[in-house]
Amino acid sequence: AQSVTQPDIHITVSEGASLELRCNYSYGATPYLFWYVQSPGQGLQLLLKYFSGDTLVQGIKGFEAEFKRSQSSFNLRKPSVHWSDAAEYFCAVAPGTYKYIFGTGTRLKVLA
Amino acid sequence: GAVVSQHPSRVICKSGTSVKIECRSLDFQATTMFWYRQFPKQSLMLMATSNEGSKATYEQGVEKDKFLINHASLTLSTLTVTSAHPEDSSFYICSASRPQTGQETQYFGPGTRLLVL
Repeated sequence: AQSVTQPDIHITVSEGASLELRCNYSYGATPYLFWYVQSPGQGLQLLLKYFSGDTLVQGIKGFEAEFKRSQSSFNLRKPSVHWSDAAEYFCAVAPGTYKYIFGTGTRLKVLA
Repeated sequence: GAVVSQHPSRVICKSGTSVKIECRSLDFQATTMFWYRQFPKQSLMLMATSNEGSKATYEQGVEKDKFLINHASLTLSTLTVTSAHPEDSSFYICSASRPQTGQETQYFGPGTRLLVL
């Protein structure tokens, strides 16, 4: 069955530190891959997406993600975290259909 | 841009009443809209997929008679929670897709928080 795993439920980093959020998927082929961010009580904002081509994808707010086919991963990174980055982050895959499969989310806390 | 709005943002209703939630794509025509439900501190669960002019496709376990979806135009989809009960209290989020050369990206609305008393 298709699935998306975000192994870290909570992550805490200090402001200015680097960040990596993990995402692994289970699917026979390469799906479309997405990262979204959700602030409390808000909808989801698209950070970046991967469809094909360059496996290192640049997104908004200084985020980037790298698709690694051999590891079935699409990890999100940011070199220097800002306090405003505190939010819930969701990885999603679209396995060739219109539907998304969401991971369970990673809640990021940023220490001043 | 790709802006999706939802109305209302928050609604409180009595048990047994019906509640309608609107989802609009403001600056693009959405061939497909999706309705999700999110419980506190959990991920989004797809409820149904809605295509303009046709019946919605519901996910397994979602009662189509309870959650009525209408997609009357390329910019508007509505979700009606009929005879709402406290267990229907949740955060409902819609999204709209704008197909471009087959590459689907969903743009999400801000969500509607429903509280059924």
